Amino acid sequence: DQQVKQNSPSLSVQEGRISILNCDYTNSMFDYFLWYKKYPAEGPTFLISISSIKDKNEDGRFTVFLNKSAKHLSLHIVPSQPGDSAVYFCAASGGGTASKLTFGTGTRLQVTL
Amino acid sequence: DTAVSQTPKYLVTQMGNDKSIKCEQNLGHDTMYWYKQDSKKFLKIMFSYNNKELIINETVPNRFSPKSPDKAHLNLHINSLELGDSAVYFCASSLLTGGDEKLFFGSGTQLSVL
Repeated sequence: DQQVKQNSPSLSVQEGRISILNCDYTNSMFDYFLWYKKYPAEGPTFLISISSIKDKNEDGRFTVFLNKSAKHLSLHIVPSQPGDSAVYFCAASGGGTASKLTFGTGTRLQVTL
Repeated sequence: DTAVSQTPKYLVTQMGNDKSIKCEQNLGHDTMYWYKQDSKKFLKIMFSYNNKELIINETVPNRFSPKSPDKAHLNLHINSLELGDSAVYFCASSLLTGGDEKLFFGSGTQLSVL
């Protein structure tokens, strides 16, 4: 039972444009959400997080939006840069901590010149 | 300088062998984890240790035995390796603060069981 879903396995975006990566979850106990970025042969690297008491969190070029009623979150990257090309994982946890993360299967983002 | 380091990076072995993967973190974190990424790219938690005590054990076969000699180390020993154990294993650490936490991951160990 996949509780965190990233339905788009891949996404291609032109440099300078906005990248929007989507994530859906089914477990209503999830209250803390994170995005990780992963390059080949490296471990996931933390990007940005959001707790369920907020609907938006911004950090530089990265913004995460949370729609609790739809059980949906999205990561916006603007402007997209070639170095953003990587696999992006959405993760969720309950109890307000990251102690037990459930990950999605990832979306591969390709930023083209 | 590496925050979470795990060795070896690649491990190729025969079925039935016993192998270990080591993990160390120098971030001063109190919680360490093992995650497994299978062929379908699912990243799933296996174990979590807080201050050397096991707090999460996600129905992992008892052929897998984590050992935490101190807060900075969490090793994973696997007995009687099976083909299905082939995966990438990631170690991670965090500081449990009751909010706004994030996990820091090692670069992974690619285990191939032949």
